[in-house]
Amino acid sequence: DTGVSQDPRHKITKRGQNVTFRCDPISEHNRLYWYRQTLGQGPEFLTYFQNEAQLEKSRLLSDRFSAERPKGSFSTLEIQRTEQGDSAMYLCASSLADGGRTGDEQFFGPGTRLTVL
Amino acid sequence: AQSVTQLGSHVSVSEGALVLLRCNYSSSVPPYLFWYVQYPNQGLQLLLKYTTGATLVKGINGFEAEFKKSETSFHLTKPSAHMSDAAEYFCAVMTDTGGFKTIFGAGTRLFVKA
Repeated sequence: DTGVSQDPRHKITKRGQNVTFRCDPISEHNRLYWYRQTLGQGPEFLTYFQNEAQLEKSRLLSDRFSAERPKGSFSTLEIQRTEQGDSAMYLCASSLADGGRTGDEQFFGPGTRLTVL
Repeated sequence: AQSVTQLGSHVSVSEGALVLLRCNYSSSVPPYLFWYVQYPNQGLQLLLKYTTGATLVKGINGFEAEFKKSETSFHLTKPSAHMSDAAEYFCAVMTDTGGFKTIFGAGTRLFVKA
């Protein structure tokens, strides 16, 4: 399967602990997005990368959150000192930007469900 | 800034009936518009998108949507609902000047009754 993969699928942690999630995009895709989705809501944009450069970061992303995409391939999202309000599904998506007005068809991974106790 | 409003968090139709899911957007520049579907315990999947050109867009599984600039709407329709259409549907907007971030609506859950 060559879709977007995320690891782990589920993570339970205690408040105050650090967690790290990984996303492997579709191999030829140059854009990678992170979203957060809570129950009954649509995905909320967190950040996105074009290749290895982080080009946009939501104000939702506090200084406890950091994302990286070394070498423009996989990406990691780290949450430090987790809080109960961080409990959510964290979604990763990737797309191929071709420079034209074609929009960004994003391919989503299955998500990582985080529960902070 | 862009925004998306989906009218109705839940819509229920009978099998074979018309499906209409409403989406209104706000954008100061020409938008890209999308509909995504999310089946239980699965990732989001693109149904269709509008970028430029023809305002009536056809997608997968018999869905289509019409971009109406004057009404700032992008409603999703399907002539005849099938049980397998039961899912959560999300409308989304993106612009070139918005940094390519995608803004999603809150979603509409579609129920299909036998």
